[in-house]
Amino acid sequence: EVQLVESGGGLVQPGGSLRLSCAASGFTFSSYGMNWVRRAPGKGLEWVSYIRSGGDTKYYADSVKGRFTISRDNAKSSLYLQMNSLRDEDTAIYYCARDLGYGSGWDWGQGTLVTVSS
Amino acid sequence: DIQLTQSPSFLSASVGDRVTITCRASQGISSYLVWYQQKPGKAPNLLIYAASTLQSGVPSRFSGSGSGTEFTLTISSLQPEDFATYYCQQLNSYPLTFGGGTKVEIK
Repeated sequence: EVQLVESGGGLVQPGGSLRLSCAASGFTFSSYGMNWVRRAPGKGLEWVSYIRSGGDTKYYADSVKGRFTISRDNAKSSLYLQMNSLRDEDTAIYYCARDLGYGSGWDWGQGTLVTVSS
Repeated sequence: DIQLTQSPSFLSASVGDRVTITCRASQGISSYLVWYQQKPGKAPNLLIYAASTLQSGVPSRFSGSGSGTEFTLTISSLQPEDFATYYCQQLNSYPLTFGGGTKVEIK
């Protein structure tokens, strides 16, 4: 059974940093591209970042470019999101999602809540 | 960036109703469109990929159609467990984008 379990969320002050993790199991992690997506309170889904299976290619939404860094450790079947210079508008549930490839959609984790507030 | 415009944003319907949700892309995306269902407190669940292919395990009352810039998700006979928010997503090019969502509520 495919499992994606996010962790690392919490309350942080504006300007602070947080590192999210996503532990994957039930599939060959190193074979899949991975994404981070967020949903702010009362808002819709927003794609945040993507990393290719080998970690060599990364993409970011303009809203987080230069502040967030996506990475992965294939030996540990884990995905990460380092979030710096956090703003109030970064408050959201953050999901990691496995890219099934060739436009076939994604599997999603249950999410972790990040609250940016003073 | 490719914008996805979903309509309606809110829909009130009864059990047994036929429901159609539309997703329009600001430029052609071939068939690189998927549909998700999300219930409160839960992760999104993949319903349809490649615009019209039903994901394994998803009931056959769900169907998708379209290509290019115009897409639809249809629920042929709404069931109590279908009351949720539905999102379209384009997988054609980065940045990947989602529609604004359609909340389906009980009339």
